[in-house]
Amino acid sequence: GESVGLHLPTLSVQEGDNSIINCAYSNSASDYFIWYKQESGKGPQFIIDIRSNMDKRQGQRVTVLLNKTVKHLSLQIAATQPGDSAVYFCAETDNDYKLSFGAGTTVTVRA
Amino acid sequence: ETGVTQSPTHLIKTRGQQVTLRCSSQSGHNTVSWYQQALGQGPQFIFQYYREEENGRGNFPPRFSGLQFPNYSSELNVNALELDDSALYLCASSRVGDYYGYTFGSGTRLTVV
Repeated sequence: GESVGLHLPTLSVQEGDNSIINCAYSNSASDYFIWYKQESGKGPQFIIDIRSNMDKRQGQRVTVLLNKTVKHLSLQIAATQPGDSAVYFCAETDNDYKLSFGAGTTVTVRA
Repeated sequence: ETGVTQSPTHLIKTRGQQVTLRCSSQSGHNTVSWYQQALGQGPQFIFQYYREEENGRGNFPPRFSGLQFPNYSSELNVNALELDDSALYLCASSRVGDYYGYTFGSGTRLTVV
């Protein structure tokens, strides 16, 4: 079946460094992608999204890159802070009712 | 503006029992979606409700059912609970087709023993 997956389950990063979280997807029909952040005891929180007609989108301290040729998505976090420690999920969809999530990457920020 | 609220926050049930989880949508949202998140995994889509009808369903058996009420709140019912049903159940509300505004609740942690 089609799925969205992350390359690495965990990422440890020094405070102040940049973080890069990767995600591979297999549904070539997906036209919309979202990155979510989930902190302990909370539901997923929207970070940034990108449509398939774009290859880059920037937000505040975050950048999402989309490479449709190799079906790869990445999230870059600039100047990582302790509050960025969480589980990060990529999600994709090709319809208006269902999101498909990957397994997640746990980011730990070292002081 | 209130967010998505879910109740209860935690629940322990015995295998074979039935459970009902509740969700109140964010103001202005007209769809409710339910996801199951097993420990250490990403959320898995169960179904979505729009205009009080099921608008799409994931790969879950019929013992998972739902309701949406005129005020857009929703219930998730699970019959004949199994140990593998132990998970965090997340509710998300949005306007139909609007993923930018897709808002998740904090979930209900269900433990089946």
